Amino acid sequence: GAGVSQSPSNKVTEKGKDVELRCDPISGHTALYWYRQRLGQGLEFLIYFQGNSAPDKSGLPSDRFSAERTGESVSTLTIQRTQQEDSAVYLCASAVVQANTGELFFGEGSRLTVL
Amino acid sequence: SQQGEEDPQALSIQEGENATMNCSYKTSINNLQWYRQNSGRGLVHLILIRSNEREKHSGRLRVTLDTSKKSSSLLITASRAADTASYFCATARQGAQKLVFGQGTRLTINP
Repeated sequence: GAGVSQSPSNKVTEKGKDVELRCDPISGHTALYWYRQRLGQGLEFLIYFQGNSAPDKSGLPSDRFSAERTGESVSTLTIQRTQQEDSAVYLCASAVVQANTGELFFGEGSRLTVL
Repeated sequence: SQQGEEDPQALSIQEGENATMNCSYKTSINNLQWYRQNSGRGLVHLILIRSNEREKHSGRLRVTLDTSKKSSSLLITASRAADTASYFCATARQGAQKLVFGQGTRLTINP
């Protein structure tokens, strides 16, 4: 596709359930980021993938959060045993990264509501 | 803590006026970027300024960077109602790829 695609757009789940969020980056973009944005807040870095390098997981808030990416394609963010505090918009972005950090292209986000 | 912090948190001005937002950061950087977000969804890249640049223009946008003060400003001239949005600065430490965002400035342009 032309842009970064995220699914689902909205997800309502019950506390304790697992959720999986998907991100399709722009074709050819080697870098992929996940961010979390709580209502009215800034973007909180979660995880960064760059090609076949080990991902930077330093922003994952707990071991309930994990993410995978196959090569330079789709990424999934999984949240296990969801809590109400996990309610937020989860934003994915991709970029062409050569030497320095470049422009990020964002998807529209997945809005997660945990009841 | 966040690498970038915007100031003010909220700004409300009349259409046609200029809007200025500031960003401060903490470490040496490769570049600084400004993004815009409408309605709490995806962000759109506005402009990137490299650490060896002091000023950059793009249409009605002007960005300055002062690496000695570790600060940047975004000026939107001749504001329009459509400029109403949240604006974020983003930085990455030198040698790092992780791009960190500030808390944003909510800009409201009143018609």
